[in-house]
Amino acid sequence: GNSVTQMEGPVTLSEEAFLTINCTYTATGYPSLFWYVQYPGEGLQLLLKATKADDKGSNKGFEATYRKETTSFHLEKGSVQVSDSAVYFCALSDQNQGGKLIFGQGTELSVKP
Amino acid sequence: DAGVIQSPRHEVTEMGQEVTLRCKPISGHNSLFWYRQTMMRGLELLIYFNNNVPIDDSGMPEDRFSAKMPNASFSTLKIQPSEPRDSAVYFCASSLRGGLAGADTQYFGPGTRLTVL
Repeated sequence: GNSVTQMEGPVTLSEEAFLTINCTYTATGYPSLFWYVQYPGEGLQLLLKATKADDKGSNKGFEATYRKETTSFHLEKGSVQVSDSAVYFCALSDQNQGGKLIFGQGTELSVKP
Repeated sequence: DAGVIQSPRHEVTEMGQEVTLRCKPISGHNSLFWYRQTMMRGLELLIYFNNNVPIDDSGMPEDRFSAKMPNASFSTLKIQPSEPRDSAVYFCASSLRGGLAGADTQYFGPGTRLTVL
């Protein structure tokens, strides 16, 4: 079945450091891939998405490229801020399974000033 | 737009009591999803609706859980009787086209934090 695996957290960085959160997936079809972010006490918000191989999603300085050959969708940001502290979820949606989202376990990011 | 609205935001109840969680999706959205989030199991899809019809309830843990969507602007998730292991944050989400569009963005509500004593 479809699944998503993320690197375990928590990840602790200093402000302006480079961020990578690894995400790999297993899917039988051709999924769309997403990164959602959850700030403390809030629901999840879409951060970025990519719908086909080699697409790059980007938003708020975050980027992720859909790599079919490595079944990966790693999240990157060149310079993190304290306000980026949150839990990040990688997810996939397979139209062959009704488009429902399958989430990874989430990676907590803590950015220190 | 007010976004997805959930009520109550917090619920504390005793084991054996009935609990009803409520959700109002974004106006015009055709699909609605109920999720449960716990530290142990992460984020789990419980059930989702397209055009008010339940499409996939395979994530509903057991018969104590039921969900309804009587119209396009309202859904409920009911637990009867509740148990301590049901303690979690329950999220409702809606999307414009749902299962017919795999890349559709889901918009989440703020969640209901349920504690069953």
